[in-house]
Amino acid sequence: DGGITQSPKYLFRKEGQNVTLSCEQNLNHDAMYWYRQDPGQGLRLIYYSQIVNDFQKGDIAEGYSVSREKKESFPLTVTSAQKNPTAFYLCASTPDRVDTQYFGPGTRLTVL
Amino acid sequence: GQQVMQIPQYQHVQEGEDFTTYCNSSTTLSNIQWYKQRPGGHPVFLIQLVKSGEVKKQKRLTFQFGEAKKNSSLHITATQTTDVGTYFCAGLRGGKLIFGQGTELSVKP
Repeated sequence: DGGITQSPKYLFRKEGQNVTLSCEQNLNHDAMYWYRQDPGQGLRLIYYSQIVNDFQKGDIAEGYSVSREKKESFPLTVTSAQKNPTAFYLCASTPDRVDTQYFGPGTRLTVL
Repeated sequence: GQQVMQIPQYQHVQEGEDFTTYCNSSTTLSNIQWYKQRPGGHPVFLIQLVKSGEVKKQKRLTFQFGEAKKNSSLHITATQTTDVGTYFCAGLRGGKLIFGQGTELSVKP
C-alpha cells in the first residue's frame, strides 16, 4: 500500500524544546516538501528537497531545519527559534517538481 | 511577494445551491491545480489545468483556466453535504507551486 506517512498525528511540546516531525514515502518520488498550515492562510512552504542530500529553503524556513539522507525520508525539526510553532504541518511528495503533490495526513503540533 | 489570491474565504450554502470559488494571480501561471481538504484531513489533488481557456469537468465540478492564464475558477453545481471542505487552488510559477488561501465551503442540509 503506497503512500506518505507522517507521525505522530498529534504532538505536544513545551516551549523551548526542539521537536522532529517524521515524513516517510514509499512512492519512489524524487521531490519532497514541508508545508505549514494556519487557519485562513492556506499552505506555506517551509523547505523542499528535489534529490537526496539536497534541500532548499521555502518561504518561511526560519526556525526550521530538515535533512534528506534517504529518498524515502524527509524529517522536519522545529527548533526553539521558531516563534510561533503551533500549527498543522503537512508533508508532500511528487515524482517531479512540476507534478501534482501527494500529501501525508499531517501532524498537528501544539507548543505549550 | 508571489501571491495567488483566492475568494471568498468562506461560503455557506444550502444543499442544492451552486458554489463558485475564484483564484487570481498578478502574473501568468504555467498551470493551475485544485485541491480539496476535508475537515480534519489533508489536501487531495482534484485536477490540473494547463492550457489557456481550458475547461474541465468532473461530475458536478467545473474547472476553468482563464485566457491569460492568470485566473481560474471552480464551480460546483447543486452542492451536496459531501462537498464540505476547503478548496485550494495552486498556481505553478517559475517552477514553484503557490497555494491560494483556500475557500471553506459549508453546506446546510
